[in-house]
Amino acid sequence: DAGVTQSPTHLIKTRGQHVTLRCSPISGHKSVSWYQQVLGQGPQFIFQYYEKEERGRGNFPDRFSARQFPNYSSELNVNALLLGDSALYLCASSIGQGINTQYFGPGTRLTVL
Amino acid sequence: SQELEQSPQSLIVQEGKNLTINCTSSKTLYGLYWYKQKYGEGLIFLMMLQKGGEEKSHEKITAKLDEKKQQSSLHITASQPSHAGIYLCGADREGGSEKLVFGKGTKLTVNP
Repeated sequence: DAGVTQSPTHLIKTRGQHVTLRCSPISGHKSVSWYQQVLGQGPQFIFQYYEKEERGRGNFPDRFSARQFPNYSSELNVNALLLGDSALYLCASSIGQGINTQYFGPGTRLTVL
Repeated sequence: SQELEQSPQSLIVQEGKNLTINCTSSKTLYGLYWYKQKYGEGLIFLMMLQKGGEEKSHEKITAKLDEKKQQSSLHITASQPSHAGIYLCGADREGGSEKLVFGKGTKLTVNP
């Protein structure tokens, strides 16, 4: 079975631009979460979506937004990019409904110049 | 800010040696997850612990959650080069939540 997939793998943007990252969960998983991992740190929680509704939000500015589609795939959008947004963005999926083990995708490496 | 402390930050061992990585929280952990990460890649799920005193094993890796549910240890027996990577502990602080708080990770190097 396919795991969590993310696209693109790598992305280079300049300050002020916006970016859209995409995630497809494991088949049958209805919950998707997004994390930001800066070099040398552990992942930090950004958002969680379950059944297309936002269920959790981390301490990130409003420049960060996300949504989940009817097929449970998800997009993370970041506007007005800053140099500090450079990071590995990880998507994780779980079955949801109290079964919460999250399985992570390979991540999208975003570089902001 | 990181709310979980992992120790050591890095570890270099000779192949065949045993090792232990610790994850400590100042608050009760409702669920504790161990993941392994190769540099710049996604996280690979290893084990999840929920009950105080719980211990789980998979191949040569054993994880335990202490009785007070504030510390977990990951033990690798007879380490191999394939065990090399970054080990991350992630905590559910809210009970049934998918908002995990992670430690900074422990970088493990296994020399042949």
